[in-house]
Amino acid sequence: EPEVTQTPSHQVTQMGQEVILRCVPISNHLYFYWYRQILGQKVEFLVSFYNNEISEKSEIFDDQFSVERPDGSNFTLKIRSTKLEDSAMYFCASRRGDRGHGYTFGSGTRLTVV
Amino acid sequence: KQEVTQIPAALSVPEGENLVLNCSFTDSAIYNLQWFRQDPGKGLTSLLLIQSSQREQTSGRLNASLDKSSGRSTLYIAASQPGDSATYLCAVPNSGGSNYKLTFGKGTLLTVNP
Repeated sequence: EPEVTQTPSHQVTQMGQEVILRCVPISNHLYFYWYRQILGQKVEFLVSFYNNEISEKSEIFDDQFSVERPDGSNFTLKIRSTKLEDSAMYFCASRRGDRGHGYTFGSGTRLTVV
Repeated sequence: KQEVTQIPAALSVPEGENLVLNCSFTDSAIYNLQWFRQDPGKGLTSLLLIQSSQREQTSGRLNASLDKSSGRSTLYIAASQPGDSATYLCAVPNSGGSNYKLTFGKGTLLTVNP
């Protein structure tokens, strides 16, 4: 069964550093997403991406965050200057596009900001 | 704004027991509802996707029901096994637009004791 692949599985970074989280969505999917889950809290929406542009973003997704699909297969989330409160599990997901199919999530990247 | 609630927050049962997990949502104008499983520190594995036009969806020992008008879904697990121990999340997409961003419940932590 096709998978969404995320790398790295765990990243530790110092506060103020830039991080890039990488994802390879399923190849025939059209919609791409980033979600995050702070320890003990709900999974929450960050951003959706369609047709090579952001289609929706949450209040969390401020100027410190950006997404890119540089080469038609990878989908990245960049955090420019990490804060302690950015520590969370970040999930990439993709969706084929029609309502009959749901989301496929990756296994996540655990980001720890120290 | 969609709110998703899951009850109970935690459940501990002996192996072999049948059990029901509950999910309720405030905005009944949903296209579908998806149940996920999350193992500790891991990603989200899709279990079942139930369309708004369906009343039930089954996969193996799992059965999900949906009552859209009352804003409720249940996940029934038959003959539970220790390997079923995990957190179970339900999620619904927003009804407006085409992004279908998901709103998640906080999950039910299930422990099946041998």
